[in-house]
Amino acid sequence: QVQLQESGPGLVKPSQTLSLTCTVSSGSISSGDYCWSWIRQHPGMGLEWIGFSYHSGSTSYNPSLKSRVTISVDTSKNQFSLKLNSVTAADTAIYYCTGGSSGSKVEYWGRGTQVTVSS
Amino acid sequence: DVVMTQSPLSLSVTLGQPASISCRSSQSLVFSDGNSYLNWFQQRPGQSPRRLLYKASTRDSGVPDRFSGSGSGTDFTLKISGVEAEDVGVYYCMQATHWPPVTFGQGTRLEIK
Repeated sequence: QVQLQESGPGLVKPSQTLSLTCTVSSGSISSGDYCWSWIRQHPGMGLEWIGFSYHSGSTSYNPSLKSRVTISVDTSKNQFSLKLNSVTAADTAIYYCTGGSSGSKVEYWGRGTQVTVSS
Repeated sequence: DVVMTQSPLSLSVTLGQPASISCRSSQSLVFSDGNSYLNWFQQRPGQSPRRLLYKASTRDSGVPDRFSGSGSGTDFTLKISGVEAEDVGVYYCMQATHWPPVTFGQGTRLEIK
């Protein structure tokens, strides 16, 4: 079973760039038609899809975040990453990396990582 | 964007009794391949979500058979045939037919009465 683990700073200053990495284990990031997504959950709230990338580099982003988001895949490291620039307090959330087939999009989840935007 | 509307938003159920959660989409979720890409997730307190069902009614490996999914088009239902204590948490539906963006329901909180 595919396992995912997020890593990155837990504290980011306003206006800076949030950068997270997801390491995929027990499976290849290049296998099949899987897509690799980032999803976030604001404190005590529901789930918000940020975007995904296929191992080919083809991406899709939530229009509400598109101007600030980049998701990329590093097949040599079996990792994918999230960059969200110009962050504000509204970007404070738990960030999850996920993987899933191209149809259902989301199957496997990482444990999530708390990111707080504060000076 | 496709809006996913869950009801009820909270549910209090006696152990062993059934539970049902509705998820309605603002557009039909039937994809060009004939599948409805509707997932159900369970998020237990303090944990990350776990997928229970995909394509509306296909149970994931290891998911107890008391969980079942049904529906097509715009109306979908998650049923738990007999609630157990470990089922406490928040349940989300998610559509992956029309994107971007992939969208989630607001979540339904299940507690034991």
